[in-house]
Amino acid sequence: DIQMTQSPSSLSASVGDRVTITCRASQSISNYLNWYQQKPGKAPALLMYAASSLQSGVPSRFSGSGSGTDFTLIISSLQPEDFATYYCQQSYSVPLTFGGGTRVDIK
Amino acid sequence: EVQLVESGGGLVKPGGSLRLSCAASGFTFSNFWLSWVRQAPGKGPEWVGRFKSKIDGGTIDYAAPVKGRFTISRDDSENTLYLQMNSLNTEDTAIYYCATDLSRRPPPRWSYWGQGTLVTVSS
Repeated sequence: DIQMTQSPSSLSASVGDRVTITCRASQSISNYLNWYQQKPGKAPALLMYAASSLQSGVPSRFSGSGSGTDFTLIISSLQPEDFATYYCQQSYSVPLTFGGGTRVDIK
Repeated sequence: EVQLVESGGGLVKPGGSLRLSCAASGFTFSNFWLSWVRQAPGKGPEWVGRFKSKIDGGTIDYAAPVKGRFTISRDDSENTLYLQMNSLNTEDTAIYYCATDLSRRPPPRWSYWGQGTLVTVSS
C-alpha cells in the first residue's frame, strides 16, 4: 500500500498569510495526487487534481505542485473561509489512500 | 445538477449487517466510476471501495479492512450504488459517503460527494 504523509499536522495562521502544506508518498505516484478541503460537518471538497490542476470554481490563491513522491499545496493569501482541514490523496493504485490531514486554524 | 444521496445508515450491533444506498441523479450513472469513502469520528477519510463503469471493465476494488465483509454493487437501471456491510464491528463506525467524478480522465478523483450517512456499531 502507498502511504501518504502530510506535514504539518496542524498550523495556526493569520488572514493574508502564505500557507504551505506538504505531502509525501511512500513510492512514486507520478502526478496522481489530489487535494481536498474539509470543513466541520461537511464532505471533503476537491481543490486540486493531478497535483497542479485547479478544480473548477476553486479560487486561484490555491496552487499545487510536485510529481513522483513530493507534493505541495500552497494558499497564497489565507482567507477566513480557508480555515479547514486539508487532505492529500493518491489515486495511483488501490487501495486509494489519504494523508493524515493538516488542520489550518486561526492564529 | 449532479446529486448523490446516501441512505440506510443507523445503529447496529457488532456482528450485524446493514445495507447503504446512494441514489444518483444529474448525470449518466452507468458511464462513471463510483466509490464509497468513510470517515470515523474525529479521523480522516478512508477509502472503502469502488465500482468501475461497465465500459471500463466493471471491476470492483475493496480496501483491506472491509474485504470479505462488505460488498459493493450498482444498479445502472436505478442509478443507485449499494454497500452491503456484514460482520460489522465497532471500527466500522463512521459517516459513509459515496463519491464520483465526471471527467473520465486520469487521475481518478472525487469532485462530487453525497451528504453522507452515519453508521454506528455499538452494543
